[in-house]
Formats: sequence, C-alpha cells, structure tokens
Amino acid sequence: GQQLNQSPQSMFIQEGEDVSMNCTSSSIFNTWLWYKQDPGEGPVLLIALYKAGELTSNGRLTAQFGITRKDSFLNISASIPSDVGIYFCAGHTAGGTSYGKLTFGQGTILTVHP
Amino acid sequence: DADVTQTPRNRITKTGKRIMLECSQTKGHDRMYWYRQDPGLGLRLIYYSFDVKDINKGEISDGYSVSRQAQAKFSLSLESAIPNQTALYFCATESDYGYTFGSGTRLTVV
Repeated sequence: GQQLNQSPQSMFIQEGEDVSMNCTSSSIFNTWLWYKQDPGEGPVLLIALYKAGELTSNGRLTAQFGITRKDSFLNISASIPSDVGIYFCAGHTAGGTSYGKLTFGQGTILTVHP
Repeated sequence: DADVTQTPRNRITKTGKRIMLECSQTKGHDRMYWYRQDPGLGLRLIYYSFDVKDINKGEISDGYSVSRQAQAKFSLSLESAIPNQTALYFCATESDYGYTFGSGTRLTVV
C-alpha cells in the first residue's frame, strides 16, 4: 500500500528556534494535510494543501505541497513551549475536498525546551 | 460537547475477551473512520464507512469488526483481544474541511 515517510522522527529544540519537518511518498498524492496531536487528544488539522507547488501559512506555520506531488514540508517559526506535540503529515489520492482514506506519516515528536 | 465522542477513554482487558469501542458524532457527517495509533507507526486505517449501509476494510482490519448502527454511531469490536492490539484507537468523521478526530481510546490487552 501507499506509504509516507516522515522525518525527523523526533526533535529537541530551544524555545525561539525554527523547526522543519517533511514527508515523502513513492506515490503521487492530490492533497497533503498536516496535523498536530497534543497529549491525550486526537490529531487536529493545521494546514491543508490542494495544489502542487502551493505554499500556505497559518500563523507561525508554513507548509508547502511539493511540485512532484510526492512530498510536503512543514515549518514552524519562533517555536514556543505549546508547540510541543506529535506532528503528522497525511495525504490522499482523491480529488478536491473529498478526502476518503488518508495515509499518515509516522509522526514527528517535537519537544521545546524553555 | 465534543463533535466526536469516544468511549471509553481508557480500558484494560484480558486476552481473549470481547471488547467494543464506541464512537458517536454530532455533526451529521456520513463518512466515519477507525484508526489505530502505535508509536513510530503513525495512524493506520482499520475500517471505514461512507454511509450507514457501507462498511469497508482498511489496511489492518484482521482481528477487528465494526458496526454502523446509525449515521451518528460507528463501533469497533475486538472479538477476541490479543496483546498486540494494545494501542491508541481513534475514531474520525469527514467533512469538506477534513477529518475531525475523537480524543481516542487507550486500550491495553494483558
């Protein structure tokens, strides 16, 4: 089946630093999504990307849909302690906003030291 | 109230026991999903349903079954629990804006 390779698996950073994580796939995806999971909660959508090359920001978060449609990255600028959590990329091959089955990356565990 | 509610939040059960995880939603969404989360593996799809009469297997359906009792309810059952089914289980609904996840059920099989 389809697989998403997410890296890094974990990051330990100081407050104020920028963070970058990415996902790659052997298959083409039509939509890329980035989620954050806080401890004890389900994942929450951060950013959705629908077009190859698309660059989208949400506050301090910026994500891009790779031109080849096989990769995506998420950047977090000026990290703060509440950025701690697990970040997941996800993708699907359906078109538009009909999501259907999502394939998830393995997750990046982010720790921010004050 | 949460849009997607999962019960129980935590459960410890013995090997061989039957257990049901419940999921209910208040949004009127047709599409519902069950995922399993294991450390280092992300979320993997167990079963999904696009409406009340539709049930589909995901990538790791062996050992699990589901029931879509109504549009709002989608239950996941482990007929005979085994230790490697110890995991965090998430239910999700789908709208035009993506998935909404429940808070999860942490299941431990001893």
